[in-house]
Amino acid sequence: DAKTTQPNSMESNEEEPVHLPCNHSTISGTDYIHWYRQLPSQGPEYVIHGLTSNVNNRMASLAIAEDRKSSTLILHRATLRDAAVYYCILRARAGTGNQFYFGTGTSLTVIP
Amino acid sequence: ETGVTQSPTHLIKTRGQQVTLRCSSQSGHNTVSWYQQALGQGPQFIFQYYREEENGRGNFPPRFSGLQFPNYSSELNVNALELDDSALYLCASSPTTGGRNTGELFFGEGSRLTVL
Repeated sequence: DAKTTQPNSMESNEEEPVHLPCNHSTISGTDYIHWYRQLPSQGPEYVIHGLTSNVNNRMASLAIAEDRKSSTLILHRATLRDAAVYYCILRARAGTGNQFYFGTGTSLTVIP
Repeated sequence: ETGVTQSPTHLIKTRGQQVTLRCSSQSGHNTVSWYQQALGQGPQFIFQYYREEENGRGNFPPRFSGLQFPNYSSELNVNALELDDSALYLCASSPTTGGRNTGELFFGEGSRLTVL
């Protein structure tokens, strides 16, 4: 199974950028890289995804290494509401559907 | 627009019993997937349903089974419950159009199962 590895926890000061790393050395050519975050007592929430090129949206940016074996989620200005567990996930094709392989996630603490 | 809803939110069962968890997908979403999240762990993919058929399965035994109904809602059934089945069970829906899934999942808040 495709797997990801992330640091267990990270801290950031409020209003500073945060770079959350992820290694996925077993990624295959058709696997997408997704990031979700999960607040306590809630289901995960979509953040961003990409295949090969860097991606930007209103929530974050995703930087993908040229060999695709690692990626970094970038939150440009951390706020207290960004405190959550961030999951780096590989999405593999399975028939007409997808399989999502979650890692153990990085717990982000934002310091006021 | 109604989001993904799951029921029940909490339940307690004993070893050997059977449980059924229910999920209503977000409006217009025809693909539903189920995940098991043990305490302190990331969600683990159980299976996915599209057009009322299972079209993807993770590393879970056959006693984990499911259904999808014509209105896209879904059930997760677990037979012969074991202590290790205690977890948060998450349902996620997503739209599939023209045979292609967007890959963006919308999760419910989960059903917390405790097996004693």
